[in-house]
Amino acid sequence: GAGVSQSPRYKVAKRGQDVALRCDPISGHVSLFWYQQALGQGPEFLTYFQNEAQLDKSGLPSDRFFAERPEGSVSTLKIQRTQQEDSAVYLCASSTGTGAYEQYFGPGTRLTVT
Amino acid sequence: GQQLNQSPQSMFIQEGEDVSMNCTSSSIFNTWLWYKQEPGEGPVLLIALYKAGELTSNGRLTAQFGITRKDSFLNISASIPSDVGIYFCAGQRATSGTYKYIFGTGTRLKVLA
Repeated sequence: GAGVSQSPRYKVAKRGQDVALRCDPISGHVSLFWYQQALGQGPEFLTYFQNEAQLDKSGLPSDRFFAERPEGSVSTLKIQRTQQEDSAVYLCASSTGTGAYEQYFGPGTRLTVT
Repeated sequence: GQQLNQSPQSMFIQEGEDVSMNCTSSSIFNTWLWYKQEPGEGPVLLIALYKAGELTSNGRLTAQFGITRKDSFLNISASIPSDVGIYFCAGQRATSGTYKYIFGTGTRLKVLA
């Protein structure tokens, strides 16, 4: 596809359930980022991949959050035992190289934990 | 989490007016990006800046990389109703090593026709 795609667009989970959010970056993009955006706030960094290597996971809020990109393309963000404070929009972005490159975002997945 | 300061937080303007907003930090950045986000959508990249003092335009939008490398500015000329949205700056630190971007708190723009 032409842009970054994410699925599902909306997810409702009951507290304690596990969820998996998918990101398809722009074809050929080396770098992939996950961000969390709370209502009324700017995106906050979660984790960064360069190809299949997860080089920075300093933004993951707890060990319930896990991300992978096994083949250096599609990425999955998994949240185990969801809590109400996990409710947010999860954004994925990709860029063509490593370093100072423009990031292009997907539409996001809105997660609501009830 | 850490966010950059953007001002103003929100603004109502008349159609046809020019708009200015800025983003400031206590840290030095080597790249600034400006995004626009509309409800239910991801941020859309407007302008990228890579050098201190750089001035870059994209249609009616003009952005500048501050010479101190701690701030950036976005101007919109002759605003139109479709300029409505939230504008975010994003900075990449010179020493980050991980290429993550830190986002601003956003400027909410509303244009009165």
